[in-house]
Amino acid sequence: DVKVTQSSRYLVKRTGEKVFLECVQDMDHENMFWYRQDPGLGLRLIYFSYDVKMKEKGDIPEGYSVSREKKERFSLILESASTNQTSMYLCASSRQGRRTSYEQYFGPGTRLTVT
Amino acid sequence: AQRVTQPEKLLSVFKGAPVELKCNYSYSGSPELFWYVQYSRQRLQLLLRHISRESIKGFTADLNKGETSFHLKKPFAQEEDSAMYYCALSGDSGYSTLTFGKGTMLLVSP
Repeated sequence: DVKVTQSSRYLVKRTGEKVFLECVQDMDHENMFWYRQDPGLGLRLIYFSYDVKMKEKGDIPEGYSVSREKKERFSLILESASTNQTSMYLCASSRQGRRTSYEQYFGPGTRLTVT
Repeated sequence: AQRVTQPEKLLSVFKGAPVELKCNYSYSGSPELFWYVQYSRQRLQLLLRHISRESIKGFTADLNKGETSFHLKKPFAQEEDSAMYYCALSGDSGYSTLTFGKGTMLLVSP
C-alpha cells in the first residue's frame, strides 16, 4: 500500500519562528511536491523536487525553502513564519516520466496555524 | 502559462440526479488532465485521468480539445459522492507537476 506520511497533523507556531514540515514516502518515487491548500484558492504548488538535492520553485515559493537530502524525505521550511502562512500543507510524491505524468500520492496534510 | 478554471465553488444536487462538474483549461501544448477528489477527513486522491478513458465510481470525463474542457459527469449521484473535486492539468515539464483548479464542492442530498 502506497504511503506518504507527514510529521504533524496540527501545528501551532508563533510569528517569526522557524518551522519545519517533514514528509516521507515509501514508494521510491523520484518526484516530491509541497502544496498549500486554502479555501477558495485550491492547491498551489510551493516547491517540488525531482531528485535528491534537486529542487524547483513552484507557483508560490516566496517565504519558503525546501530540503531533500534523501530520496524518501522532503522537508518544507518556513524561515520566519508569518500569519499569512497559516494554511493546510500537503505533501505528495510521484514517479517520474518523460512521456506521461504519473499519479500523485498525497499525505494527510499538516494544518499550520501561525499566531 | 497554464490555467485550470472550475467555475462552480459549490454544486448541490439530490440523490439520483445527474451531475456535471465543469473544468476548462488553458494550455498551449498537449495537456494531460486529471480529476482528484477529497472526501471528508480523507487525503486527496486520484479519481480519473483522461488518458485512461475509464469510468471510476460511475464518473466519466472526456477531454474536449476544441472547447478546452474536461467536465466530470455522473448520471445518478449518490450521497457518498459528496466531496471536494479538483480538476488538474499536467503540462510537458516531464516532472508530473500539476496545476489545480480551485475546486468544486459537491453536496448530494438524500
